[in-house]
Amino acid sequence: DGGITQSPKYLFRKEGQNVTLSCEQNLNHDAMYWYRQDPGQGLRLIYYSQIVNDFQKGDIAEGYSVSREKKESFPLTVTSAQKNPTAFYLCASSIEAGTHEQYFGPGTRLTVT
Amino acid sequence: AQSVTQLDSQVPVFEEAPVELRCNYSSSVSVYLFWYVQYPNQGLQLLLKYLSGSTLVKGINGFEAEFNKSQTSFHLRKPSVHISDTAEYFCAVLHFSGAGSYQLTFGKGTKLSVIP
Repeated sequence: DGGITQSPKYLFRKEGQNVTLSCEQNLNHDAMYWYRQDPGQGLRLIYYSQIVNDFQKGDIAEGYSVSREKKESFPLTVTSAQKNPTAFYLCASSIEAGTHEQYFGPGTRLTVT
Repeated sequence: AQSVTQLDSQVPVFEEAPVELRCNYSSSVSVYLFWYVQYPNQGLQLLLKYLSGSTLVKGINGFEAEFNKSQTSFHLRKPSVHISDTAEYFCAVLHFSGAGSYQLTFGKGTKLSVIP
């Protein structure tokens, strides 16, 4: 089955710790994206990558970092600099940036206390 | 900057009744429009999309949407809802954000609750 996997489904961390969220796709898509979802706020773009070894900041990149060393993987690190990290994080991919449909993973709910 | 406004944050409707979820966007150029659905604690699934051509777009699960360029709207409709349609619905606009990049801007979502 082709698709996007995110792990873990639920993640708990103490304040001040960095945490890395996993996103893997086997759709052979070039572009990948990370969104943050808060209740009543819709989805906001954190980072995106159009090709391997390249990525750009989205609307709310502060306190986050990413890497794109492999086509199928786009991990997101939530650093201790992110002031309000508790949220639902969604990864997505598309055939290429600018094509029309993004496919979403099941999400990771991060809780920081 | 692009913006997407979903006019209702919550819409309750009785089972088998029709429903319309409203979406307006701001843009002075051509855009591509989408509706996604999200069930609790899950990712988003594409319902339908408008790229060009006919302004009436049909999607999955019996949903359809009409693109109205003059009113910059893309309202989602279903003639008869089912309990299983209870979910959150997001309208989104794909637009060119410069330097060869495209960005998908989402509305804040509308929670549809179908009442038995």
